[in-house]
Amino acid sequence: DAGITQSPRHKVTETGTPVTLRCHQTENHRYMYWYRQDPGHGLRLIHYSYGVKDTDKGEVSDGYSVSRSKTEDFLLTLESATSSQTSVYFCAISESTSGRTQQFFGPGTRLTVL
Amino acid sequence: AQSVTQLDSQVPVFEEAPVELRCNYSSSVSVYLFWYVQYPNQGLQLLLKYLSGSTLVESINGFEAEFNKSQTSFHLRKPSVHISDTAEYFCAVSENNQGGKLIFGQGTELSVKP
Repeated sequence: DAGITQSPRHKVTETGTPVTLRCHQTENHRYMYWYRQDPGHGLRLIHYSYGVKDTDKGEVSDGYSVSRSKTEDFLLTLESATSSQTSVYFCAISESTSGRTQQFFGPGTRLTVL
Repeated sequence: AQSVTQLDSQVPVFEEAPVELRCNYSSSVSVYLFWYVQYPNQGLQLLLKYLSGSTLVESINGFEAEFNKSQTSFHLRKPSVHISDTAEYFCAVSENNQGGKLIFGQGTELSVKP
């Protein structure tokens, strides 16, 4: 298995509070992605990173920000959590941005916003 | 724009029966196609992929998928399912020059009953 961990694995928070999710990899892959998984929607890309301090928006980026100060860590922040951000969040990594390249996924973080 | 449609949200089937999970995509350029599997409370794992060459691709655990360019489909099949195949299956597509981003279908929940 690819060395990807996510923390926390479960979190319950209240509307309006800030939340940061962490993705840590030991594979030294340059490319990292954050997705959210919701019933009926599959996985949707929130933000992605092509390297340290190099990030960009995905399909559903509103309400989220990211940071990557080290190759191994990619942080996802909800500045002010809302109930619509209740979801399961997955981090993924890949060796290249070629469309042929497989992405490896972390175990996920289940976030509940009350 | 790319899109992926998985035509069945849930597929119940009895053990040892054949199964087909359907996936259609839309894209104006050449694509790469993937099937990922998600076992309960886990992240996604690559099941199989089509990059080029033979249109029939196989996984190590008996699944196969056939790329049909004219019908823009990539249906997943297994001739005889096991209880352990119970999982959610996601079809995904990527293109060259799109930063390695994956577009996922909505997912199909396969439930194998004894």
